[in-house]
Amino acid sequence: GAVVSQHPSRVICKSGTSVKIECRSLDFQATTMFWYRQFPKQSLMLMATSNEGSKATYEQGVEKDKFLINHASLTLSTLTVTSAHPEDSSFYICSARDLRGQKLFFGSGTQLSVL
Amino acid sequence: DAKTTQPNSMESNEEEPVHLPCNHSTISGTDYIHWYRQLPSQGPEYVIHGLTSNVNNRMASLAIAEDRKSSTLILHRATLRDAAVYYCILRDERRGNEKLTFGTGTRLTIIP
Repeated sequence: GAVVSQHPSRVICKSGTSVKIECRSLDFQATTMFWYRQFPKQSLMLMATSNEGSKATYEQGVEKDKFLINHASLTLSTLTVTSAHPEDSSFYICSARDLRGQKLFFGSGTQLSVL
Repeated sequence: DAKTTQPNSMESNEEEPVHLPCNHSTISGTDYIHWYRQLPSQGPEYVIHGLTSNVNNRMASLAIAEDRKSSTLILHRATLRDAAVYYCILRDERRGNEKLTFGTGTRLTIIP
């Protein structure tokens, strides 16, 4: 089946630094990818929809200048958490849809810890 | 997106069938019913989806009520690896709205 690779799986950084998370569709092309955030014991919250070759669409309440999304190719989207703070510590998950079907495939997630 | 209601948690014995219910009384005619599950510390994975008819695949079965206001995900023989949070989600494919909006899901515990 289709695979979405997310990297890194875990990152620890100091407050004020920026962190980049990559999401790749390994065996299919994805014009659209989605970025979610999940706090402990909570459900996934959609942050933004990443569109290849155009600007991302952010959900209400998500700061686009803080969470920079780049979808430069049909197989790669990146999320950069700029000037990270401890409250940004969370589990970040990307997903992509195989255009041949109706399923969404998810990456394995990135656990971000900001000290 | 139309809303779904699921029990917060369920328990089942290993090697027994599990029936996970989902209510979606405001479902529209073009909403598909999707099920995903999330194992601990992982991203969600697709389980099954359907529109009107019952569906079977190697992971599970999906039973959809005749009025489509509820559905049940059936795991025929639960194993310890089925312990996860199961999400029932509606999505209108026709509108081209591809995003999935997750509710709180059902946390399934399997008892050895």
